[in-house]
Amino acid sequence: EAGVAQSPRYKIIEKRQSVAFWCNPISGHATLYWYQQILGQGPKLLIQFQNNGVVDDSQLPKDRFSAERLKGVDSTLKIQPAKLEDSAVYLCASSTRHLTTQYFGPGTRLLVL
Amino acid sequence: DAKTTQPNSMESNEEEPVHLPCNHSTISGTDYIHWYRQLPSQGPEYVIHGLTSNVNNRMASLAIAEDRKSSTLILHRATLRDAAVYYCILLPTDSWGKLQFGAGTQVVVTP
Repeated sequence: EAGVAQSPRYKIIEKRQSVAFWCNPISGHATLYWYQQILGQGPKLLIQFQNNGVVDDSQLPKDRFSAERLKGVDSTLKIQPAKLEDSAVYLCASSTRHLTTQYFGPGTRLLVL
Repeated sequence: DAKTTQPNSMESNEEEPVHLPCNHSTISGTDYIHWYRQLPSQGPEYVIHGLTSNVNNRMASLAIAEDRKSSTLILHRATLRDAAVYYCILLPTDSWGKLQFGAGTQVVVTP
């Protein structure tokens, strides 16, 4: 069974530029999560989708971050414009439904200069 | 939300057992105890979870105190591949499943 796929794996941009990350969850998984992990810290949930609906985006900085999961399968997370403090690893995870085991992708490492 | 407390780091010799403690004194009756680990440059992976009884799987064992205010993850024979950050997380059954990661315990395995 294929795992959670993410791309790109690495991205370097300058502040005020835009960037987008893509995630393809495990087939059949209804729940998709985006986490942000700053160096030296544990991951922090940014947004959670149940199928194509948002169930938790309380910690998403909505003035600059947006995410969508249009067909209830893959998802895109966008940052516009990026700030220096957005430098982090962005992790995507999926689960069959909420409260079940979450499977994480390898992450996208973002560096904002 | 209920919080957990873990030591910053622990060191073990290869092929010896590792006992990772986690304190969760404010746990509620509907909180499951989950453990995830994160190997270097990888996303977290699920290790084990439990509610009240001790649990075993191929990766580890989870021992839960009778009052549920603490738990211990046991790696029976540490290997170099077990070097990772281990996170103890409380997951309320009446939630949407958001994992609230702390700083975790960095496990170092020495050959």
